[in-house]
Amino acid sequence: DIQMTQSPSSLSASVGDRITITCRASQDISHYLAWFQQKPGKAPKSLIYAASNLQSGVPSKFSGSGSGTDFTLTISSLQPEDFATYYCQQYKSHPRTFGQGTKVEIK
Amino acid sequence: QVQLVESGGGVVQPGRSLRLSCAASGFTFSSHAMHWVRQAPGKGLEWVAVISYDVTDIHYADSVKGRFIISRDNSKNTLNLQMNSLRTEDTAIYYCTRDFTIIPFDSWGQGTLVTVSS
Repeated sequence: DIQMTQSPSSLSASVGDRITITCRASQDISHYLAWFQQKPGKAPKSLIYAASNLQSGVPSKFSGSGSGTDFTLTISSLQPEDFATYYCQQYKSHPRTFGQGTKVEIK
Repeated sequence: QVQLVESGGGVVQPGRSLRLSCAASGFTFSSHAMHWVRQAPGKGLEWVAVISYDVTDIHYADSVKGRFIISRDNSKNTLNLQMNSLRTEDTAIYYCTRDFTIIPFDSWGQGTLVTVSS
């Protein structure tokens, strides 16, 4: 199975900050990487697929990059609605493994 | 618009069975692979199972293999998860979600809570 490792597990940031979350795969997954946002008590929401493609309706302050084993999610200017937990997921092969999540909190 | 509505959750004793369903609407259900993903209380997301649009391809997480069965009824736009020999560690919110062409998990249901406890 492909293991996905996110870092950091949590981070504190202020409104307006630019933040970056990293995700590393245990083997080459090409561009088969997705990012999800989850707010407390809600279902996850798709943000990015194929490593860098923005899902329809997702604001352009979100961006993704990477290929192979190393990926990043960047939020260019944090807003109050962006404080949430973010997950990466590989879909190169089954089982479709998720990273452990990164909780973004208000500083 | 796309709607996925899970049902069937509840409290069940260890070793017993439960059947979850996901009613799909707003899209051509028979054209999409469908998945179950779960989330234990306070924990991260765990993929559970997938079934292809035509039922020819099915995969399970090792943690549920041999105990859970994913199925679908394309005539009724329904996805199912038969959960047998339930364990306390199966306690979680269970979400159904779909693959939309090259986009994985683009839509999610609201989830249904399964609690396995004596």
